[in-house]
Amino acid sequence: NAGVTQTPKFRILKIGQSMTLQCTQDMNHNYMYWYRQDPGMGLKLIYYSVGAGITDKGEVPNGYNVSRSTTEDFPLRLELAAPSQTSVYFCASSELARPGTEAFFGQGTRLTVV
Amino acid sequence: QKEVEQNSGPLSVPEGAIASLNCTYSDRGSQSFFWYRQYSGKSPELIMSIYSNGDKEDGRFTAQLNKASQYVSLLIRDSQPSDSATYLCARRAGTASKLTFGTGTRLQVTL
Repeated sequence: NAGVTQTPKFRILKIGQSMTLQCTQDMNHNYMYWYRQDPGMGLKLIYYSVGAGITDKGEVPNGYNVSRSTTEDFPLRLELAAPSQTSVYFCASSELARPGTEAFFGQGTRLTVV
Repeated sequence: QKEVEQNSGPLSVPEGAIASLNCTYSDRGSQSFFWYRQYSGKSPELIMSIYSNGDKEDGRFTAQLNKASQYVSLLIRDSQPSDSATYLCARRAGTASKLTFGTGTRLQVTL
């Protein structure tokens, strides 16, 4: 019963490098989300998707890109890493947006940009 | 104005007391509300969801929603040291299903 799986768990990037954070879910959920959480702060929405082929920006999309080619996968791409992108990244998924439908979270990816 | 606002705390309560956590929201179109608990270094886990006005109880937890006043609260009865964590309030608006979080309230339950 995997749920939402994120890889890698930890990563150190140099300024200007690029990387892809992977997220996959096995619950056949339509909705998927990427959040970042800075120390002592709440979750800020980066991008979200309501189904394969459909993505939309959240509060803090600058510096990131996403794609949703399948229901299961929702990778997050950082093109030119900057120190401001040092954060913990969480992927989440939920089924159709009925009232009260909860989102399930992956275990997070801790990213440091140096 | 932030979509979801919480007092960052820390809120300190003695073991066995009632902890009261509050959250306000700005968008009257918000439909569903969630309380997540997050231990340090871990991912958020759902405690309660609520989408109708009034109270919803689950064990030691009670969520309260007042749409007219635009606030949501979480009461934790008989607080335990294991309840010490950050509590995140979230709301979802309609069909867009964008799930927006507050900054969280850190709860400390003291012995």
